[in-house]
Amino acid sequence: DARVTQTPRHKVTEMGQEVTMRCQPILGHNTVFWYRQTMMQGLELLAYFRNRAPLDDSGMPKDRFSAEMPDATLATLKIQPSEPRDSAVYFCASEARLATSTDTQYFGPGTRLTVL
Amino acid sequence: SQQGEEDPQALSIQEGENATMNCSYKTSINNLQWYRQNSGRGLVHLILIRSNEREKHSGRLRVTLDTSKKSSSLLITASRAADTASYFCATDSLFSGGYNKLIFGAGTRLAVHP
Repeated sequence: DARVTQTPRHKVTEMGQEVTMRCQPILGHNTVFWYRQTMMQGLELLAYFRNRAPLDDSGMPKDRFSAEMPDATLATLKIQPSEPRDSAVYFCASEARLATSTDTQYFGPGTRLTVL
Repeated sequence: SQQGEEDPQALSIQEGENATMNCSYKTSINNLQWYRQNSGRGLVHLILIRSNEREKHSGRLRVTLDTSKKSSSLLITASRAADTASYFCATDSLFSGGYNKLIFGAGTRLAVHP
């Protein structure tokens, strides 16, 4: 049963610390997304990769957030330095994009980040 | 920014009743998708309806799309306590960078009571 995996599932850290979240997309999926979910803002798209190349990171605070796909089986989202307002659940999703329009996105279980 | 707006924000019904959730959006779309999220979990895809389709069924789910009114509805028939979750609509649109992406609404929280 193919699924998106994310690590860690929970992370508590202090303000100013670096946080790295990892995602393993479903094998064969060529499109990967990072979302952030909060009560206030809902689900926001942070970054979007197609065939490992960044397509859109307009939703990401550039000064502290960075997203990469070192290879097809790993996507990372890094926050440095972290701030209390970064506390949220971060989801990774992958998709087997065959056409230009979006298709079914498969979400991971999320990383619940708390920055004290 | 959110493209889809769900209505109602929260819905409470008894088991066996039908639940209807609505979604309105602003710009033209290629498709509209509904997702479900159980508390503390990731989103799960329910159904995708393309802009040239008007209605789609999947088990106890029925989705309609009215592109002239820029609205969609999700009907869950004969609801069960296990249907308790948040339901999100997401619209697929072409953005200025020449690529498509999904924009999610704020969701409807459904509570089904035994």
